[in-house]
Amino acid sequence: GQQVMQIPQYQHVQEGEDFTTYCNSSTTLSNIQWYKQRPGGHPVFLIQLVKSGEVKKQKRLTFQFGEAKKNSSLHITATQTTDVGTYFCAGPESGGYQKVTFGIGTKLQVIP
Amino acid sequence: NAGVTQTPKFRILKIGQSMTLQCAQDMNHNYMYWYRQDPGMGLKLIYYSVGAGITDKGEVPNGYNVSRSTTEDFPLRLELAAPSQTSVYFCASSYRATGELFFGEGSRLTVL
Repeated sequence: GQQVMQIPQYQHVQEGEDFTTYCNSSTTLSNIQWYKQRPGGHPVFLIQLVKSGEVKKQKRLTFQFGEAKKNSSLHITATQTTDVGTYFCAGPESGGYQKVTFGIGTKLQVIP
Repeated sequence: NAGVTQTPKFRILKIGQSMTLQCAQDMNHNYMYWYRQDPGMGLKLIYYSVGAGITDKGEVPNGYNVSRSTTEDFPLRLELAAPSQTSVYFCASSYRATGELFFGEGSRLTVL
């Protein structure tokens, strides 16, 4: 079955440093979604990328979808303490739209 | 507009007991999902539904059952609870097959 891998699993950064998490799928994805889960909370949708090579920005967050639609990245510029949480990528297998598989997540800790 | 509502928020079960986790959404979404999240792990899909009367297995369906008699409700039944079912359970819904997932706040289940 489809596997979605994320690295790193944990990341500690000083406030103001940049942060990147990478997501790789074993199969081609119809789209990639990114979610953020605050400690003790539930996953909250951040963004969806659909097109090959797509890049989207949300303030300090930059999301990329690979040309082969099998990998993606999330980059945060100048992290803030409000960025603390776990970031998950998720994607439905191409042709298997209903089953959305999540990566293991990257837990980000920001040191003030 | 409540979104996705899960009950109960917390529950402790004894081994062998049964219970139902309730999930309701008021967004008229056809697609609904049950995930479990173990500490430090990503979300694993248990069951999903693409509409009333239609359900299908996800990655980890053993020990669980679901039903979908209405668009709004998607209960998850645990039969003969086991310690391995100790987890946080999230219900989610989506307005389309590849759309963003809206999550409930989660149900934390402990089996002793």
